[in-house]
Order: sequence, then C-alpha cells, then structure tokens
Amino acid sequence: GENVEQHPSTLSVQEGDSAVIKCTYSDSASNYFPWYKQELGKGPQLIIDIRSNVGEKKDQRIAVTLNKTAKHFSLHITETQPEDSAVYFCAAGSEKLVFGKGMKLTVNP
Amino acid sequence: EAGVTQSPTHLIKTRGQQATLRCSPISGHTSVYWYQQALGLGLQFLLWYDEGEERNRGNFPPRFSGRQFPNYSSELNVNALELEDSALYLCASSRGTGKVREEQFFGPGTRLTVL
Repeated sequence: GENVEQHPSTLSVQEGDSAVIKCTYSDSASNYFPWYKQELGKGPQLIIDIRSNVGEKKDQRIAVTLNKTAKHFSLHITETQPEDSAVYFCAAGSEKLVFGKGMKLTVNP
Repeated sequence: EAGVTQSPTHLIKTRGQQATLRCSPISGHTSVYWYQQALGLGLQFLLWYDEGEERNRGNFPPRFSGRQFPNYSSELNVNALELEDSALYLCASSRGTGKVREEQFFGPGTRLTVL
C-alpha cells in the first residue's frame, strides 16, 4: 500500500539555526504534498503545501522542495524560533492523504 | 469564522462498547475527513465524506463507520471497541471540490480511551 517515510523523528536545534525534514513516498500517483504543524493539545495546522507541477515553494522562513522522480520532498525552516517547536507531519496523496509519522522539533533559546 | 469543532473532547469506554464521535465542519465546507492518531503512528486515514457520500476509506475494519448529514456535519461510529482503538480521533474539513488537494482544516480531536 501507499507509504510515507519521514525522518528524522526528532530534531533539536538552537534558535536561529535551520531545520530540515525529509520525506519519501511510494505512490507515484501522488500529486499533493502538504506539511502540517501540530502543537501540544491541538489539531494539525497546514503550514505550506506543494503540488506536483511545482518543484519548490517558499513562504517567509519556510520552503518546501519536491523531487517527483526520486519521490521525495523536504521542508526547510530557516532562522528557527522557540515557537517553531512542535511536531511536523508531511503527507502525500491523490485520492487520500497518507501521513508520515511526524518529527518532533525542539528549538532551544 | 468558527473552526472545525469536535465533540466530545474526551470519551472513556470499555472493551466491546460502541463509541460515537461528532464533527462540525467549517461553514461552507462540504468535505469531512476522519483520521486516527495513535501514539507514535502519525495520522492514519479513516474516512472521507463529500456531499453526503463516502468518497474513500482507509485500511480499517468495518466496525469503523460513519456518515455525513445534510448540514455536512459528520459522525464516526466505532463498534465492538478494542483496547487498540484508544487514540486521538481527528476530523478535518475542506471545500468540496471532489479532490483531496484542498487544504484540510483540522479540529482539536476527540481522545478516546478504551479500558
């Protein structure tokens, strides 16, 4: 079945550093790749998404890249801040979304 | 604008019982998705309803079922509860374009505990 692998599972960085999360997917029909941030006690919130006809997308400190040939996509967060600390999920799909297992990011002041 | 709401916040049941979870989508959204978030497993897709019809279903047994009402709210039913059904159940809604490539807005979830 469809599968999305996400790594690393945890990441700890110093404030101001960059953070990178990588995901790979198995279903070549996937055409939508959202990234979600989940804070403690809350539901996931979309932070950025990319569609299969685009290779890169940027929104302020956040950027996502997509390599459809290699079936992987990545999230880059620059100039991290303590409020970026959360669990981040990648997802991929077409008829349904398949989520990765999440990465816990800790930004130390 | 109100976000996605879910009720109850917490639900405690015993093995073999039935659980009913409810979700109200954002006004104007016609698609509702249900996910199970068990510890360490990320979000597992359960069901997708759009315009009152089931559009897709994840790899869960038939004792997980649901429906969508004419006002687009939705209900998830879990019959014959098992201990491993203990999880956070998340509902999301999106504009109903019939495509999954619309932003899904999540509710806060219902924490189901099966004893």
